[in-house]
Amino acid sequence: EVQLVQSGAEVKKPGESLKISCKGAGYNFASYWIGWVRQMPGKGLEWMGVIYPGDSKTRYSPSFQGQVTISADKSFSTAYLQWSSLKASDTAIYYCARRPHSTTWRFDYWGQGTLVTVSS
Amino acid sequence: DIQMTQSPSSLSASVGDRVTITCQASQDISNYLNWYQQKPGKAPKLLIYDASNLETEVPSRFSGSGSGTDFTFTISSLQPEDIATYYCQQYDNLPRLTFGGGTKVEIK
Repeated sequence: EVQLVQSGAEVKKPGESLKISCKGAGYNFASYWIGWVRQMPGKGLEWMGVIYPGDSKTRYSPSFQGQVTISADKSFSTAYLQWSSLKASDTAIYYCARRPHSTTWRFDYWGQGTLVTVSS
Repeated sequence: DIQMTQSPSSLSASVGDRVTITCQASQDISNYLNWYQQKPGKAPKLLIYDASNLETEVPSRFSGSGSGTDFTFTISSLQPEDIATYYCQQYDNLPRLTFGGGTKVEIK
């Protein structure tokens, strides 16, 4: 069974760093793109970027380029999303999702989401 | 950037009603359009891909159509378990995948 399991909720202060994770199971993690999606409180979905764990090729939405870093460790079947200096506006639920083998960009399996709260 | 205009932003319908949601792209995106369902407190779920293809194990009451700039998502007979927010998502131009603003579906 394909699963994406994300790390637990985080409460951080502005200026702190953070790295959240997304662990894949039940499939060849290295061979499928993983995307990250932000959902701010009470708001819609925003696509942040994707990574191909096999070679760590990464593509970012221009809105998030330079604001976050997406990485992966295929030996641990895990993708990461990290911030070097959090802001209150980073408070949101962050989802990872898998792109199936396809010529099109859709996401068939999703993690359960990680709630990040940034507050002084 | 391609903008996705989804309407309505919310709707209320009775069980058994036909429900239609539209998504309009600011430029031609061929059939590069997916639809997702998000229930409260849950992750999104893929329902329709490439505008009209039903994802595996998704009930047949869900359907999608359209190409170019105008797309439609339909629930042929609304069920209580369909209460959710529905999002369209275009993928014409990586890295700018974009979602529509969402449509919240409630039971009347």
